[in-house]
Amino acid sequence: DVKVTQSSRYLVKRTGEKVFLECVQDMDHENMFWYRQDPGLGLRLIYFSYDVKMKEKGDIPEGYSVSREKKERFSLILESASTNQTSMYLCASSFAGIGRGYTFGSGTRLTVV
Amino acid sequence: KNQVEQSPQSLIILEGKNCTLQCNYTVSPFSNLRWYKQDTGRGPVSLTIMTFSENTKSNGRYTATLDADTKQSSLHITASQLSDSASYICVPGHVREGSQGNLIFGKGTKLSVKP
Repeated sequence: DVKVTQSSRYLVKRTGEKVFLECVQDMDHENMFWYRQDPGLGLRLIYFSYDVKMKEKGDIPEGYSVSREKKERFSLILESASTNQTSMYLCASSFAGIGRGYTFGSGTRLTVV
Repeated sequence: KNQVEQSPQSLIILEGKNCTLQCNYTVSPFSNLRWYKQDTGRGPVSLTIMTFSENTKSNGRYTATLDADTKQSSLHITASQLSDSASYICVPGHVREGSQGNLIFGKGTKLSVKP
């Protein structure tokens, strides 16, 4: 069964901490994505990557960075966590090209206190 | 501006009944449209993907329709089950998606199926 695995389901971090969210996919997908989902706002794209060591900013990249050193792994980094980054974070992956299916992870519920 | 509107925002139906969820979008140039199901606290799961030339696509009790001329899509659920309780998200795709990540996510319709 193909899957996208996010390292944590729930995280609680303190303001100012550096936070790492890890995502691993086993489908040999070229593309990987990080979204955040907030009530009433739907999914918003933070960063995406279409190849190893490549990254592109999405709609809301401020306060975040990413790393893709291996094809199967895409990490989201909160350099200095703030309370407005409390959210559900979803990782997704897909093959390259138009109309390809996205496979999502189960999500990480991050709370910054 | 590329946008997607879903209606209703929420819906309550009785088990066994049918329902239809609506999606209007303004994505242009349009390439494809996807419907996702998202259970509470989980990631979205793909239900259907339709290209601009397809009018309908089914996945079990789920049937999606697409009118690319009027930029409207609907998701029809037949003989609803308690497990259908979830949010349903409409996602129109831009022709430059893929390497550029141009998917526009709707805010979803929250469906509750009651016994």
